[in-house]
Amino acid sequence: AQSVAQPEDQVNVAEGNPLTVKCTYSVSGNPYLFWYVQYPNRGLQFLLKYITGDNLVKGSYGFEAEFNKSQTSFHLKKPSALVSDSALYFCAVRDPSGAGSYQLTFGKGTKLSVIP
Amino acid sequence: GAVVSQHPSRVICKSGTSVKIECRSLDFQATTMFWYRQFPKQSLMLMATSNEGSKATYEQGVEKDKFLINHASLTLSTLTVTSAHPEDSSFYICSADRGQGYGYTFGSGTRLTVV
Repeated sequence: AQSVAQPEDQVNVAEGNPLTVKCTYSVSGNPYLFWYVQYPNRGLQFLLKYITGDNLVKGSYGFEAEFNKSQTSFHLKKPSALVSDSALYFCAVRDPSGAGSYQLTFGKGTKLSVIP
Repeated sequence: GAVVSQHPSRVICKSGTSVKIECRSLDFQATTMFWYRQFPKQSLMLMATSNEGSKATYEQGVEKDKFLINHASLTLSTLTVTSAHPEDSSFYICSADRGQGYGYTFGSGTRLTVV
């Protein structure tokens, strides 16, 4: 079974500082990894994904994430945080080779607060 | 880009009534759609996988007779909450699979309040 862990319920960062939101995963095969952002009472917006290729993935709004197979991690990063980045962030994994291969499994989410 | 429209965004209904939520893929065909439920300050819980032209696959613990899913076309899936009760109040989100390993596209969600 696939799983995702986001160890931090909340991350606080000052505006202009770099931010990191952590994610680790567990799958039996090679993972497809995703980051989504959710604003209050809204659906999820896609930020970026890793399928194959370069371990450093660049996505929307200046976000990037690095796939680290040995550490089974896919941490989300941004060099300079904006107040408008404050939202709920979800990491998700899909194992295309396993049973239920269409399913995305989500982490519990990390609330990011960027302080002016 | 791919857009999924979910309607209504907010609905209030009385206990015992049924509510239908629609999920449409506007610019692509989706053979597979997913329905999630999200409790306050919690992650998304997959309720069911909706497959066009066939029966939905429900996750363990999800009542098939309460949460009716219909995927009649490649662009539309519906979730009907039957005989709703206050405990069914939640945020429901759909998503559609664009295929080719893309991340799924999500609807904007429906806030259901049963009074």
